[in-house]
Amino acid sequence: DAGVTQSPTHLIKTRGQQVTLRCSPKSGHDTVSWYQQALGQGPQFIFQYYEEEERQRGNFPDRFSGHQFPNYSSELNVNALLLGDSALYLCASSLRGAGYEQYFGPGTRLTVT
Amino acid sequence: GQNIDQPTEMTATEGAIVQINCTYQTSGFNGLFWYQQHAGEAPTFLSYNVLDGLEEKGRFSSFLSRSKGYSYLLLKELQMKDSASYLCAMPWSGGGNKLTFGTGTQLKVEL
Repeated sequence: DAGVTQSPTHLIKTRGQQVTLRCSPKSGHDTVSWYQQALGQGPQFIFQYYEEEERQRGNFPDRFSGHQFPNYSSELNVNALLLGDSALYLCASSLRGAGYEQYFGPGTRLTVT
Repeated sequence: GQNIDQPTEMTATEGAIVQINCTYQTSGFNGLFWYQQHAGEAPTFLSYNVLDGLEEKGRFSSFLSRSKGYSYLLLKELQMKDSASYLCAMPWSGGGNKLTFGTGTQLKVEL
């Protein structure tokens, strides 16, 4: 039973560039949430996708956008990268209606220089 | 809204017991999670409390008092591998399963 997978593991980008991060949910899960975790902080909720639509959104600018595909996998896109976007980006999957527990992927470490 | 507070850092000795506290304010309570996160890795589930009281799971126990807005994670027989960040989190009171996290408590286990 495959868990949550994310790619790439690490990424280095330059300020102003755009980045796409990918996530495949745990088998049987249909909901994907994205979190940003700065060094020394707890994860901050970016948004959540279910049935290919954004269902909830945290306090992040429109530079952060996403997509969910029919196979439930998801992408996080960040445009016009800022130095402050450097963080660990975590994907979490869950099954709608099955409670609040979420399963986290290993994350993508994004460094913006 | 929601707010979660927990200490930033704690240090304990191998073999000892440590208690990590978490206080919260929320307009609607849907349970409280504890996650363990080793540096650079994903958070892993430790416990989920909905009702008041203590739940024990091996060396780890979690306590909840809804009336006091308070929870703690108790780690017994500490091992070096327990050195990690411990995150207190709550489902958003407005519905859905968005999680609000505390800043995490960095636990260092020393010899």
